[in-house]
Amino acid sequence: ILNVEQSPQSLHVQEGDSTNFTCSFPSSNFYALHWYRWETAKSPEALFVMTLNGDEKKKGRISATLNTKEGYSYLYIKGSQPEDSATYLCASPGSARQLTFGSGTQLTVLP
Amino acid sequence: DSGVTQTPKHLITATGQRVTLRCSPRSGDLSVYWYQQSLDQGLQFLIQYYNGEERAKGNILERFSAQQFPDLHSELNLSSLELGDSALYFCASSVDSGPLNYGYTFGSGTRLTVV
Repeated sequence: ILNVEQSPQSLHVQEGDSTNFTCSFPSSNFYALHWYRWETAKSPEALFVMTLNGDEKKKGRISATLNTKEGYSYLYIKGSQPEDSATYLCASPGSARQLTFGSGTQLTVLP
Repeated sequence: DSGVTQTPKHLITATGQRVTLRCSPRSGDLSVYWYQQSLDQGLQFLIQYYNGEERAKGNILERFSAQQFPDLHSELNLSSLELGDSALYFCASSVDSGPLNYGYTFGSGTRLTVV
């Protein structure tokens, strides 16, 4: 069973703060690492798919990095806004055909 | 609208009953994945179909079954329902047979409540 772990479990930040959270995954049999954003009462939405060690992806104020050798990825949010409040999920397929999801980091941005 | 359609959105049924959840994937996507999210649990993989064939199976109970039809829509059948089956069931689709290069597109989910 693939073990994908995320930390912290939840996070409260003030509007304007920058923040980051971590996803850990097995470094062996690595194929891809996904990040999703899941707003309350909506469905998860894909943010990034990363496949190469050292990959960096950016979408607006959100960016992600990938270290496949040590088995971690960071998601960064610069200048957090209340609309960034959501649960952020990472997932990896390992050697399987389907994604195994972490339990998520719940971000609350306080105005 | 993500392009993945799940019906119904909500379902309330009694223990012992059988229900069918339906999913239409995004146009062009050949893979359909079913996930279950129970209270205080993360997304748990149930089963995957690719172009009509079962490709991968997760922790899916024997009381549950699924299929993908020629038009690529998929149905998840849950039978002999128990209280513990109450959960949010998501369908997701992707263009390829494995999530290596493309992300999933999720439907809005079906909230099943067993009473």
